[in-house]
Amino acid sequence: AQKITQTQPGMFVQEKEAVTLDCTYDTSDPSYGLFWYKQPSSGEMIFLIYQGSYDQQNATEGRYSLNFQKARKSANLVISASQLGDSAMYFCAMREGLSNFGNEKLTFGTGTRLTIIP
Amino acid sequence: NAGVTQTPKFQVLKTGQSMTLQCAQDMNHNSMYWYRQDPGMGLRLIYYSASEGTTDKGEVPNGYNVSRLNKREFSLRLESAAPSQTSVYFCASSEAGRTRFPLHFGNGTRLTVT
Repeated sequence: AQKITQTQPGMFVQEKEAVTLDCTYDTSDPSYGLFWYKQPSSGEMIFLIYQGSYDQQNATEGRYSLNFQKARKSANLVISASQLGDSAMYFCAMREGLSNFGNEKLTFGTGTRLTIIP
Repeated sequence: NAGVTQTPKFQVLKTGQSMTLQCAQDMNHNSMYWYRQDPGMGLRLIYYSASEGTTDKGEVPNGYNVSRLNKREFSLRLESAAPSQTSVYFCASSEAGRTRFPLHFGNGTRLTVT
């Protein structure tokens, strides 16, 4: 079973509108973390935002926020007031808890390609 | 601060040739990783090293070997390259011990096997 599912292969959004990128996850571990990364056409991987399973509030970083619904196992990324520079691939990823020390790896979804239209 | 440095940036190999991808980080991180990225498949973990002296297989380890040379360096070796190994390879590092530490990525190596 997929641990991270991103169901939107591509999205087109008008500049200045808000956009929500979907991410659902599957884990039985009570301790886990969810990450979003941006990959522009230049290819580098840029860390955007983190949400911990025990965090009481949804994470926010500037124009990025995370709509974390634990019971539904979803962690959607919301970008407010989209800009042309937001056009990129976006990846959701999960690190499961450190119940066994050394379980450090991140598992990635297949990504969503976001295109901002002027 | 260079962060995570990968070499080379591009490489073309013939089937059966071998090569080593080099990775070094200067952030004093304990954990290092090798991922490959293929269209439509996201990033898949090849090998990782939770700390110096240890390495573990990830999701797609077949055809690869790794060496954690010291805390800074983690290399990936293809002993006999195959066209299925055509991909973009990313090295990454992170602090260890807490779930919230993000991975810091290098800029990738684009490998083509003909």
